[in-house]
Amino acid sequence: EDQVTQSPEALRLQEGESSSLNCSYTVSGLRGLFWYRQDPGKGPEFLFTLYSAGEEKEKERLKATLTKKESFLHITAPKPEDSATYLCAVQAGDNFNKFYFGSGTKLNVKP
Amino acid sequence: KAGVTQTPRYLIKTRGQQVTLSCSPISGHRSVSWYQQTPGQGLQFLFEYFSETQRNKGNFPGRFSGRQFSNSRSEMNVSTLELGDSALYLCASSLEASNEKLFFGSGTQLSVL
Repeated sequence: EDQVTQSPEALRLQEGESSSLNCSYTVSGLRGLFWYRQDPGKGPEFLFTLYSAGEEKEKERLKATLTKKESFLHITAPKPEDSATYLCAVQAGDNFNKFYFGSGTKLNVKP
Repeated sequence: KAGVTQTPRYLIKTRGQQVTLSCSPISGHRSVSWYQQTPGQGLQFLFEYFSETQRNKGNFPGRFSGRQFSNSRSEMNVSTLELGDSALYLCASSLEASNEKLFFGSGTQLSVL
């Protein structure tokens, strides 16, 4: 069964303290792995798409990487405005536009 | 360009009632998906519509249904509401191709009492 697991569930960082979030997956025929950010009271907002092992994407303080079994979202020198829940999702097989989401990592960055 | 619009924002119902949620996708987007988000289960896929046809369906009971209109607007219906249906219902739209990122609305928060 296709499955997506994120860790840790929650992460508290001091401003400037770099860290990584993990997303491990077991799916048949990965078509793409997506990272989203969700703020309280809002829907998820797209961050990155990764398609193949070894691929990396960067945006400001965020960098996403992909291996055959997992993806990491690296946060370098985070700021309080980076506080949010980060979700990863995979699209697999022939199920177009059907995504399997992880439960998310709730990040809290203290000033 | 307007984003994905969901109405209503909040809804309170009692067990046994039915409810209809509405979603207007981004102009030009032909695919509309629905997700249920709960603290315990995270985001779970309900169904996806493309050009008025249901293209994918998740593992939810038949009480959950949807439809899409010719202008790509979509509605989701839940009949015979149960307490466990309390959740944030998110609608997302995307272009017609696969592997496309989803654009989410802010959701409808449904509380079943």
